[in-house]
Amino acid sequence: DAGVIQSPRHEVTEMGQEVTLRCKPISGHDYLFWYRQTMMRGLELLIYFNNNVPIDDSGMPEDRFSAKMPNASFSTLKIQPSEPRDSAVYFCASSIDIGRGWEQYFGPGTRLTVT
Amino acid sequence: GQSLEQPSEVTAVEGAIVQINCTYQTSGFYGLSWYQQHDGGAPTFLSYNALDGLEETGRFSSFLSRSDSYGYLLLQELQMKDSASYFCAVRELGNQGGKLIFGQGTELSVKP
Repeated sequence: DAGVIQSPRHEVTEMGQEVTLRCKPISGHDYLFWYRQTMMRGLELLIYFNNNVPIDDSGMPEDRFSAKMPNASFSTLKIQPSEPRDSAVYFCASSIDIGRGWEQYFGPGTRLTVT
Repeated sequence: GQSLEQPSEVTAVEGAIVQINCTYQTSGFYGLSWYQQHDGGAPTFLSYNALDGLEETGRFSSFLSRSDSYGYLLLQELQMKDSASYFCAVRELGNQGGKLIFGQGTELSVKP
């Protein structure tokens, strides 16, 4: 299995531009999570989906952030317009809730820099 | 509110044993997980405890005391490659699975 796939791996953009991050979960996993990691705030859950349906988006910082999961093998996280404070590493993770404490498999992350 | 407390950094020497503690306060508790993250990498799952007691996986063990809202990760026979950040995470009860809340992480440095 290829694991969770994220693209792009690095993104540098200017303030005000739209940014779209992409994720392909592990086949067969029915949970998908988007996290953001910064030195100051640590690893924060932004939103998660179960069977393509958003379950909890309470971590989404504001209306500039949106996430979709149109099918079981693809999800996007969009930031529009982007701001310098959005600079962070964004991780996508997937899981299947069978034993092992809802073990989450993380993708390699997208390092976003907004100038 | 929800909170997880773990030390920000720990230093140990190769071959030693180190314990990383985690105390938590959450509105609903399902279990405690541990994740490892090397610098520049992604978090990877290490262990999970839903019941009180010790779970052993090779050189790593994890312990949970639900009554004390406390757990720890024990790393034995430390190796240089164990230098990484270690996160405890609480699985909260909730609709359709709940969610994981991560601690701030403990940076472990293993010295020769």
